[in-house]
Amino acid sequence: DGGITQSPKYLFRKEGQNVTLSCEQNLNHDAMYWYRQDPGQGLRLIYYSQIVNDFQKGDIAEGYSVSREKKESFPLTVTSAQKNPTAFYLCASSAGLAAYNEQFFGPGTRLTVL
Amino acid sequence: GENVEQHPSTLSVQEGDSAVIKCTYSDSASNYFPWYKQELGKRPQLIIDIRSNVGEKKDQRIAVTLNKTAKHFSLHITETQPEDSAVYFCAAAYSGNTPLVFGKGTRLSVIA
Repeated sequence: DGGITQSPKYLFRKEGQNVTLSCEQNLNHDAMYWYRQDPGQGLRLIYYSQIVNDFQKGDIAEGYSVSREKKESFPLTVTSAQKNPTAFYLCASSAGLAAYNEQFFGPGTRLTVL
Repeated sequence: GENVEQHPSTLSVQEGDSAVIKCTYSDSASNYFPWYKQELGKRPQLIIDIRSNVGEKKDQRIAVTLNKTAKHFSLHITETQPEDSAVYFCAAAYSGNTPLVFGKGTRLSVIA
């Protein structure tokens, strides 16, 4: 299960606060992704990045921001503009953006807004 | 954009029976269809995939079939075992530089 890590495992934040979730990979993958997982909703794409210093919005990008300053890292910031941020967040990486490249997932971060 | 519908949302089978999960997709340009398995408390992992140039692919007890005309594909698990209990996600995409679109998942329970 090594290769892609997320921290922290659990995160609590107060309403109105921004919070940043960490995602690091040592697989030398070019592409990285952030998904949100809610019960019965599957995996919904928030943002993805094909290469350093480039990223694209996914289906539910509102209230989130990302950066890709290093190949290994793709942090996700959940801003106060996200109306319902309590969820399980999964990061993934793949060798390239082409869909046939297997995505490898991190262990996830469970965010709870108090 | 692509839309993937997955059914059923929950499925219970007796150990040793077969399980079938079905997905439909909307974009006829999609040509890559993977299945991911997420065991309780663990991360999703790819278990099998199929490209549009084949109609069926098997790997031991699991198989995937694709009907391009009807735009649907299915996961078949034979001789189910308790360790098959998990949430299964189908996905679809055009294999160019477009990200996968996932279905909402099927929670499979194998009853011993």
